[in-house]
Amino acid sequence: GAGVSQSPSNKVTEKGKDVELRCDPISGHTALYWYRQSLGQGLEFLIYFQGNSAPDKSGLPSDRFSAERTGGSVSTLTIQRTQQEDSAVYLCASSPAQETQYFGPGTRLLVL
Amino acid sequence: KQEVTQIPAALSVPEGENLVLNCSFTDSAIYNLQWFRQDPGKGLTSLLLIQSSQREQTSGRLNASLDKSSGRSTLYIAASQPGDSATYLCAVTNTGFQKLVFGTGTRLLVSP
Repeated sequence: GAGVSQSPSNKVTEKGKDVELRCDPISGHTALYWYRQSLGQGLEFLIYFQGNSAPDKSGLPSDRFSAERTGGSVSTLTIQRTQQEDSAVYLCASSPAQETQYFGPGTRLLVL
Repeated sequence: KQEVTQIPAALSVPEGENLVLNCSFTDSAIYNLQWFRQDPGKGLTSLLLIQSSQREQTSGRLNASLDKSSGRSTLYIAASQPGDSATYLCAVTNTGFQKLVFGTGTRLLVSP
């Protein structure tokens, strides 16, 4: 079956612009996660959704970052007023419960 | 705060060798531990998941062990092949939480 998909695969933006990253989880997976992978920080958790609610937002680095999930499916991660330090690979994962997390290919974000 | 460390950071071996990758974590109150591989420019592929009540899991040439009380896991790769070349990441989920806390990764190169 289809895996986790993310779009766009690559995004180049100018400092100060807003960006939206999309994640389509595996059908039927109730849990959805966003992570960030950058050279200096490794892989970091950002936010977790169970259904449409986000019980754990502890990894969002600033109030410029927000995420939503609609219909228990698609999720969008929004970064407002992007900064150069936001450049990273943003990875989305989904799972049926507290089990194996399946990752998408990621969105590579470059802020100039 | 959970911290996950992987040793070595990089490993280079000739084809056919058996090898061991190490992962240690500071907080033993984990729910499960997962091993992933990541190919350059790609997302993460789940290899093995070990529940906290289990001691090991096997898949093909891969065997992962877990010693929860000492905060350690190992990934054993038998008869290594050039196609095994990738970065290997271990990650834990703490009891009561959903997010994965990732290790620093081991970059493996298997030479023909």
